[in-house]
Amino acid sequence: QSALTQPPSASGSPGQSVTISCTGTSSDVGGYNYVSWYQFHPGRAPKLMIYEVSRRPSGVPDRFSGSKSGNTASLTVSGLQAEDEAYYYCSSFAEIDNLVFGGGTKLTVL
Amino acid sequence: QVQLQESGPGLVKPSETLSLTCDVSGYSISSADYSAWIRQPPGKGQEWIGSFFRTGNILYNPSLRSRVTISADTSKNQFSLKLTSVTAADTAVYFCASVSTTWTVNYWGQGTLVTVSS
Repeated sequence: QSALTQPPSASGSPGQSVTISCTGTSSDVGGYNYVSWYQFHPGRAPKLMIYEVSRRPSGVPDRFSGSKSGNTASLTVSGLQAEDEAYYYCSSFAEIDNLVFGGGTKLTVL
Repeated sequence: QVQLQESGPGLVKPSETLSLTCDVSGYSISSADYSAWIRQPPGKGQEWIGSFFRTGNILYNPSLRSRVTISADTSKNQFSLKLTSVTAADTAVYFCASVSTTWTVNYWGQGTLVTVSS
């Protein structure tokens, strides 16, 4: 069982927006602004999409955004495109285990 | 362009030692923040194993600390993982990665599947 809780699946039609949640505790997500989001495509190296809750690395489309409220962080993908179909995982710094991850969300573009 | 590439046996027998190496290009591990090992059991989320800091400081996941050793060879720009006394629960895709001081995994290797089975 993963330390951070994500919904197993999410979906949306092209052009729509989808939000994926990542729920932890005050010892990880809620206590620090060190939440990141990663995109996993089979056969490719995982890719950093969002770091420090809402910052976007260069090269990541601004359709991807992050936020946090209390112990829950969120990744929003706006203007869904077929290429966004992938698994998305969140991570956070944690007081005891240093780095914890979510169980992953499969995003399907309908 | 940053690249990390894991290598090592894909099959390890129970009770033996899992050994993997990560070859890094595009940055020097002696100047990076952290170089880390992360694993993902089948159908589950990732688990941080440990991180090697450029000063030589090493942090381990408390749940694995007694069985894990991470080391680095800065002359070859590579770092390694050893996990002793493996069981089927250690079957996973193992990733090497570059991690910042804010615990952001900046870059990942493609991952290598290690199966523990007799």
